[in-house]
Amino acid sequence: EDQVTQSPEALRLQEGESSSLNCSYTVSGLRGLFWYRQDPGKGPEFLFTLYSAGEEKEKERLKATLTKKESFLHITAPKPEDSATYLCAVPIPESGGYQKVTFGIGTKLQVIP
Amino acid sequence: NAGVTQTPKFRVLKTGQSMTLLCAQDMNHEYMYWYRQDPGMGLRLIHYSVGEGTTAKGEVPDGYNVSRLKKQNFLLGLESAAPSQTSVYFCASSFDRRPEAFFGQGTRLTVV
Repeated sequence: EDQVTQSPEALRLQEGESSSLNCSYTVSGLRGLFWYRQDPGKGPEFLFTLYSAGEEKEKERLKATLTKKESFLHITAPKPEDSATYLCAVPIPESGGYQKVTFGIGTKLQVIP
Repeated sequence: NAGVTQTPKFRVLKTGQSMTLLCAQDMNHEYMYWYRQDPGMGLRLIHYSVGEGTTAKGEVPDGYNVSRLKKQNFLLGLESAAPSQTSVYFCASSFDRRPEAFFGQGTRLTVV
């Protein structure tokens, strides 16, 4: 069964304390992996797409990496405004060419000043 | 440029009542989606549309119907609401099959 698992479920960091979030997946024939940020009471906001093992993408204090089995979202010197839930998602091909997207339950990050 | 707009933002229904959630996007996207998000579960796809006049079932379609009469609008209907449909509903759209989607702000629905 295709699955996406994120860990930890919650993470509390001091401002400036770097860490990583994990997204592991069991999907045959990976066709990309996506990271989203979701603030409380809002819809997810797209961050990154990774398509192949070894690929990296960066945005401000965030860097996403991809291996054949998992992806990491590295947060360097986080600030309180980085507090949010981070979701990863994987597209799974369906018949007719559509790609169903399976989301993980997310990691809730809290950055303390 | 509003992006994806959902109406209403909050709603309380009694069991058995019906309602329609409206999603509107102004990005000329072909693909539109309805998701529900529940505590401890990832976003789950209810229905989706790959273009005007088309709809298809997602992962959890039972109890919901959709329509896409205009390219910019995607409606989600609940014919007879049940407490199990208490959730936060998100609409999203994307330019093509790539799931780098833009999401609306969500509708928090409570069925009592």
